Amino acid sequence: AQSVTQLGSHVSVSEGALVLLRCNYSSSVPPYLFWYVQYPNQGLQLLLKYTSAATLVKGINGFEAEFKKSETSFHLTKPSAHMSDAAEYFCAVVSGSGGYQKVTFGIGTKLQVIP
Amino acid sequence: NAGVMQNPRHLVRRRGQEARLRCSPMKGHSHVYWYRQLPEEGLKFMVYLQKENIIDESGMPKERFSAEFPKEGPSILRIQQVVRGDSAAYFCASSPPGVSSGNTIYFGEGSWLTVV
Repeated sequence: AQSVTQLGSHVSVSEGALVLLRCNYSSSVPPYLFWYVQYPNQGLQLLLKYTSAATLVKGINGFEAEFKKSETSFHLTKPSAHMSDAAEYFCAVVSGSGGYQKVTFGIGTKLQVIP
Repeated sequence: NAGVMQNPRHLVRRRGQEARLRCSPMKGHSHVYWYRQLPEEGLKFMVYLQKENIIDESGMPKERFSAEFPKEGPSILRIQQVVRGDSAAYFCASSPPGVSSGNTIYFGEGSWLTVV
């Protein structure tokens, strides 16, 4: 079984401040991990993904995430928040077995950026 | 290359009517997923399909909901006799053929169902 926990359903940061969105996972097999962003009334857009190459993954819009196996974490960070970063962010764990790719999402974290 | 296309984007149905939501995966993709998103809740997995096969429907309600992905044409999520609790955003996603857990899953823009 696999699961994803996103700590903090709502996070507020000031414009220009560090963004840190937490994601912890559990998986019985080596995981592949994704971060998606959802703007209001839109679908999910891929920010970045970890597929066992480099543990530090760089994505779009200045976001990056670091895979830490010992901590079973894949936290999303951005050094300086911009107003346009206000959105909902979803962490997902993906594993495949028996010809089936299973995707499990976290509950999401809404990011508010304060001017 | 067009993305995952969902239609309608918005659908209003009266209680007891049927809702049909369509999803055309990205070109070359043969795996389709349906998710439901309720206000203030995360994405809930509903069903995973490959062409002409339902692979996993563990997230589908036992009654009134069905999904298909025919050999030709889009995937369809069908909700019969809709109730107010069915009001939600329904997202379709697709991924390429061949099981590789590194395959990115691409999402459509969603279909917002409102039951009045």
